[in-house]
Amino acid sequence: EPEVTQTPSHQVTQMGQEVILRCVPISNHLYFYWYRQILGQKVEFLVSFYNNEISEKSEIFDDQFSVERPDGSNFTLKIRSTKLEDSAMYFCASSEEVSTEAFFGQGTRLTVV
Amino acid sequence: AQKITQTQPGMFVQEKEAVTLDCTYDTSDPSYGLFWYKQPSSGEMIFLIYQGSYDQQNATEGRYSLNFQKARKSANLVISASQLGDSAMYFCAMREPLVSGSARQLTFGSGTQLTVLP
Repeated sequence: EPEVTQTPSHQVTQMGQEVILRCVPISNHLYFYWYRQILGQKVEFLVSFYNNEISEKSEIFDDQFSVERPDGSNFTLKIRSTKLEDSAMYFCASSEEVSTEAFFGQGTRLTVV
Repeated sequence: AQKITQTQPGMFVQEKEAVTLDCTYDTSDPSYGLFWYKQPSSGEMIFLIYQGSYDQQNATEGRYSLNFQKARKSANLVISASQLGDSAMYFCAMREPLVSGSARQLTFGSGTQLTVLP
């Protein structure tokens, strides 16, 4: 069964460092998303992507964040200068259509120290 | 105002019994989708069931069914014949409006922690 794949599963980084979180969405999906979940809290939307451009972004998605689709398969989230409060589980998701379910990857647990 | 409200932070159910997890939503858009996800302690988000606002029938997927009451703006998840493996956090989510070509976000509720007792 096709699935969304995220790497790495866990990343520890020092405050101020750049991190890149990688995602391979399901191949025939057109809509891509990044969400994050701070430990014990609800899932928060960061950004969505369609047709090679950002479709929506939340207030959390400030200038420190960027997304790219560098090739036909990968979808990346970059955090330029990490802060302690960026520590969270980051989920990538993709869906075939807006009216269908979004399939989530297994997440990347980012720990900023 | 909260778009998705889950009023039960924690629920307990006896194995093999049915349980209902509540979800109410707020939207003025006629076109929307409602989703339920399961998050076990391992952390992944597992899609369970989807209901579109124009769907005439309640969605069902195996032991999961969605009790969709549009006028009351509720989309409760019913799990029949609970199993120990159902113990997890359950999130209700909504996407609105459903416009093709626009990657609309899912808005999540705060979740319900379900514990199935042996």
